Amino acid sequence: GAGVSQSPSNKVTEKGKDVELRCDPISGHTALYWYRQSLGQGLEFLIYFQGNSAPDKSGLPSDRFSAERTGGSVSTLTIQRTQQEDSAVYLCASSFREAGEAFFGQGTRLTVV
Amino acid sequence: QKEVEQNSGPLSVPEGAIASLNCTYSDRGSQSFFWYRQYSGKSPELIMSIYSNGDKEDGRFTAQLNKASQYVSLLIRDSQPSDSATYLCAVSTGNQFYFGTGTSLTVIP
Repeated sequence: GAGVSQSPSNKVTEKGKDVELRCDPISGHTALYWYRQSLGQGLEFLIYFQGNSAPDKSGLPSDRFSAERTGGSVSTLTIQRTQQEDSAVYLCASSFREAGEAFFGQGTRLTVV
Repeated sequence: QKEVEQNSGPLSVPEGAIASLNCTYSDRGSQSFFWYRQYSGKSPELIMSIYSNGDKEDGRFTAQLNKASQYVSLLIRDSQPSDSATYLCAVSTGNQFYFGTGTSLTVIP
């Protein structure tokens, strides 16, 4: 595709439910990043994938959060047993190379009620 | 801890003026430097990248990098109301991007 695609655009879920957020990076981009942005706040790093290397999970806030990247392309961020503090916009970005220009998707706005 | 600091603003400039946005970073090992524009309710949009010391110009935008001073800036010439947004400075050391909290810019017609 022409850009990074994220789905769904919006997700409302009940506290305690699991959610899956999807990111389809730009074709050929080997690096993929997940960030989240709470209302009025800065971008918080979650996880980084580079090619076939082990992901950098240092930003995941708890063991309720996990992510995978299948075939070096599409990535799924899973949040288990969602809490209200998980409400935020989850942003995915991809870049052609490590430390190269990164382009963001439109984000998934997650609301936990 | 790797930090990226920006003046939070808000910064207001009249239409047609030059807007100057500043950023400092703490990690001397940083390799790549970026400016993103973020409109309210939208995702960040890449507007400039710079990798070596000096100036880089792209249309009305000029990015400046001084690695010795650990300083990055963005100049917007002939500012337009459509430039009103939050500008994020981002620094990469390789495996992630570190973002500043952003500077809010308002261009007054």
